[in-house]
Amino acid sequence: DAGVIQSPRHEVTEMGQEVTLRCKPISGHDYLFWYRQTMMRGLELLIYFNNNVPIDDSGMPEDRFSAKMPNASFSTLKIQPSEPRDSAVYFCASSLVRGETQYFGPGTRLLVL
Amino acid sequence: DQQVKQNSPSLSVQEGRISILNCDYTNSMFDYFLWYKKYPAEGPTFLISISSIKDKNEDGRFTVFLNKSAKHLSLHIVPSQPGDSAVYFCAASDPSGYALNFGKGTSLLVTP
Repeated sequence: DAGVIQSPRHEVTEMGQEVTLRCKPISGHDYLFWYRQTMMRGLELLIYFNNNVPIDDSGMPEDRFSAKMPNASFSTLKIQPSEPRDSAVYFCASSLVRGETQYFGPGTRLLVL
Repeated sequence: DQQVKQNSPSLSVQEGRISILNCDYTNSMFDYFLWYKKYPAEGPTFLISISSIKDKNEDGRFTVFLNKSAKHLSLHIVPSQPGDSAVYFCAASDPSGYALNFGKGTSLLVTP
C-alpha cells in the first residue's frame, strides 16, 4: 500500500502567488482531511471530505483558501493569493472509518516569501 | 479552544527507562483516543489507540492508559529506545464527529 501521497514536498513562492497542494488518499478511504501545522497552533484541521463532499470547512482561515476533491483519489488545497503567514507544513490524511485512525501523508512544507 | 492538551512540550529519558507522556482532555463526549508519533520531515504515524470502554491497551513496548473520570490518558514506553525520539501527539474524537482533535505534541528525547 502506497499510503497517502502529497506533492510537492516543498514549495517556495513569493507573496501574492497562487499555491496548489495535492493529495492522493489511500485507496478505499472515504474520508480525507487537510491539516496545517505551525509552531504556534500545532496541528489545525482546515477542512474534511466524506465521499468527495466537503463536510466542514470551518477551519479554513480565509477566503484565500479553497479545497476540492473532484474524485475519490485526488484532492487539492489552493491558496490564492498566498501570504507569508501561510508558511507552514500542510498535511493531508485519510481514514476508512469516521472518527477513527487517520493516516497522514508526508506533508508539504510551504514557504511564502 | 484546545480540547486536547499536552502540557509538557518536551521530555528527556535515558535509554532503557520508562517514558510517560501525558494528555488531558476537556470534552467528556470524547470516546476514542489515539497516539501518533512524528519524526522530522515526515507525517504523523499512528501508534496506538484506545476506546473509552477500556482503561488500558497494550502493543509491545507501548501501553496507553485511560482515566475517564480524570479526563486523562497517558502513553508508556518501556523500555525506551533512542529510535523512540520523536514528537508524540495525542488525539481524540467523539461519536458525532468526523475529525480528530489533536494536542500540540510532546517532544521525546531518549538518550543513550
